[in-house]
Amino acid sequence: DGGITQSPKYLFRKEGQNVTLSCEQNLNHDAMYWYRQDPGQGLRLIYYSQIVNDFQKGDIAEGYSVSREKKESFPLTVTSAQKNPTAFYLCASSNPGGITGELFFGEGSRLTVL
Amino acid sequence: AQSVTQLDSHVSVSEGTPVLLRCNYSSSYSPSLFWYVQHPNKGLQLLLKYTSAATLVKGINGFEAEFKKSETSFHLTKPSAHMSDAAEYFCVVSDLAGGYNKLIFGAGTRLAVHP
Repeated sequence: DGGITQSPKYLFRKEGQNVTLSCEQNLNHDAMYWYRQDPGQGLRLIYYSQIVNDFQKGDIAEGYSVSREKKESFPLTVTSAQKNPTAFYLCASSNPGGITGELFFGEGSRLTVL
Repeated sequence: AQSVTQLDSHVSVSEGTPVLLRCNYSSSYSPSLFWYVQHPNKGLQLLLKYTSAATLVKGINGFEAEFKKSETSFHLTKPSAHMSDAAEYFCVVSDLAGGYNKLIFGAGTRLAVHP
């Protein structure tokens, strides 16, 4: 089945540590996105990539980094510079040739900083 | 700039009664609008979308929404709630001003369904 796989589903981190969240898709989509979800705030865009080897900052990119070396993969690194990293992180993808605005989401990764 | 406001953070209904989740949007042009659903600790799933075709949009699981330009609203309805409808619902507007597919999410409405 085609879809988006995020791992790990749950992750605990000590303060000062970097952590990388994995996102893999087999939908052959060009565009991929990372969102952060906090209770009562909806989803906020961290980074997005419209094509391999290119990515752009979203609304809350500070303290995060990404790479897009392959079409299928868009990993997100939460660095020690992120002041409040505890959140639910969602990866999504879309095909620019498809219906405008429709995103396909993974099941999320919940990061807790101890 | 586009924005979206979900008027209720929590809605509680009894099983078998109608569901109404309210959403107002702000847009400088004819927007694309969406409703997504999220079950606990899961990703989001598209319920339905409006992209300037019919103003009454039918989605999955018996949900529908009506685009009302005069009221800048896109409320989500279902005639009869089911226990499995308990989830969080997000109203979303598409913003293409930045040259890419940016979605603006509402804060969400948590729907509780009681027996």
